[in-house]
Amino acid sequence: EVQLLESGGGLVQPGGSLRLSCAVYGLTFDAYAMSWVRQAPGKGLEWVSGISGNGGSTYYAPSVRGRLTISRDNSKNKLYLQMSRLRAEDTAVYFCAKPRSGADYYYALDVWGQGTTVTVSS
Amino acid sequence: SYVLTQPPSVSVAPGETARITCGGDDIGTKSVHWYQQKPGQAPVLVMYYDSDRPSGIPERFSGSNSGNTATLTISRVEAGDEADYYCHTYDSSSDDVVFGGGTKLTVL
Repeated sequence: EVQLLESGGGLVQPGGSLRLSCAVYGLTFDAYAMSWVRQAPGKGLEWVSGISGNGGSTYYAPSVRGRLTISRDNSKNKLYLQMSRLRAEDTAVYFCAKPRSGADYYYALDVWGQGTTVTVSS
Repeated sequence: SYVLTQPPSVSVAPGETARITCGGDDIGTKSVHWYQQKPGQAPVLVMYYDSDRPSGIPERFSGSNSGNTATLTISRVEAGDEADYYCHTYDSSSDDVVFGGGTKLTVL
């Protein structure tokens, strides 16, 4: 069974930084692109970032480009999201998610973690 | 950027059919995926490639996509189907990965 487990969320001041992690179990990790999706309190889903299976290609939503950095360590089966220059509007639950098709980060996401909460507030 | 438009809410009586729409410019030329999300839980994929059901999703769930509208249809609605539903697609021309705003399905 494939499982995704996020960690690293918390309370951070505006302008601060945080690194989220997503541990992946039960699949050949480097065969899959991955995505991060967030959900602000009471709001809908927003795709944030994607990365290819080998980590060589990364993709970002315009709202986060230049402030958030996606990466992965295939030797550890882990996905990361480095968040910097955080704003109040980045407050959300952050989910990591696996595409049903291995190569395409933007494809149907068939496995999701339970999410980790990031709160940006002074 | 590409925009997907969903009605905020749909209400249906148990046993009836719910249709949740997702509008977008020429969406019929794109692959659309659908997720169900219950309060406090992660989303669950219920339809992919417009009309394919993942294993474990009841046959009551079906999908279609044509023109400017994709539709998720839930037949013989049950109380357990009450949830938020989101459509999702990728627009290659703008390189946008987009979710619709979500539709709250209420079972009366």
